[in-house]
Amino acid sequence: NAGVTQTPKFQVLKTGQSMTLQCAQDMNHNSMYWYRQDPGMGLRLIYYSASEGTTDKGEVPNGYNVSRLNKREFSLRLESAAPSQTSVYFCASSELDISYEQYFGPGTRLTVT
Amino acid sequence: AQTVTQSQPEMSVQEAETVTLSCTYDTSESDYYLFWYKQPPSRQMILVIRQEAYKQQNATENRFSVNFQKAAKSFSLKISDSQLGDAAMYFCAYRCPTGANSKLTFGKGITLSVRP
Repeated sequence: NAGVTQTPKFQVLKTGQSMTLQCAQDMNHNSMYWYRQDPGMGLRLIYYSASEGTTDKGEVPNGYNVSRLNKREFSLRLESAAPSQTSVYFCASSELDISYEQYFGPGTRLTVT
Repeated sequence: AQTVTQSQPEMSVQEAETVTLSCTYDTSESDYYLFWYKQPPSRQMILVIRQEAYKQQNATENRFSVNFQKAAKSFSLKISDSQLGDAAMYFCAYRCPTGANSKLTFGKGITLSVRP
């Protein structure tokens, strides 16, 4: 099993450009999450999908959109990138039951100039 | 809203010694889970240990153990016999128990360095 995979690993964008971060999991998990990690801020939840067909905002959703394409895939889109979106982005998946841990992808380092 | 606080941004420990990383949290729930995640320089988030709030017994995983004080809302991580590979950022996290909204709330993390 590959676990949680993310593409790309690194990306540089100019202000105003758009891009989609891809995430896929092969563990048959129902729930998927997108976080961003900034120095001194820990990980903050952007959006999550409790199950296929549903998405909800997290703590910092402004400037982002998501799509739960199917049970395996959950993408994060930046429509018009801003320097404030420079961050490391992590996708994670888990079962709904809170006893289950969240499994994380390797992260995407995004720089917006 | 639930909050998780890690008040020490950095700590250092001598190889083979013991170190304790602190974490406090705030919640009105009685049933929840707490986690410690490790993030080495590779960036990969790795689960170290988990604690169920309804269990009085502190969780242990090899050299890693927790001191869970439910009334004080404290959840510290003890690393015994520290190794160079333990050098990483450590995050404390709380999992919200409300079913479909079950998401993790993270602390800001602590950077642990291990001196040879």
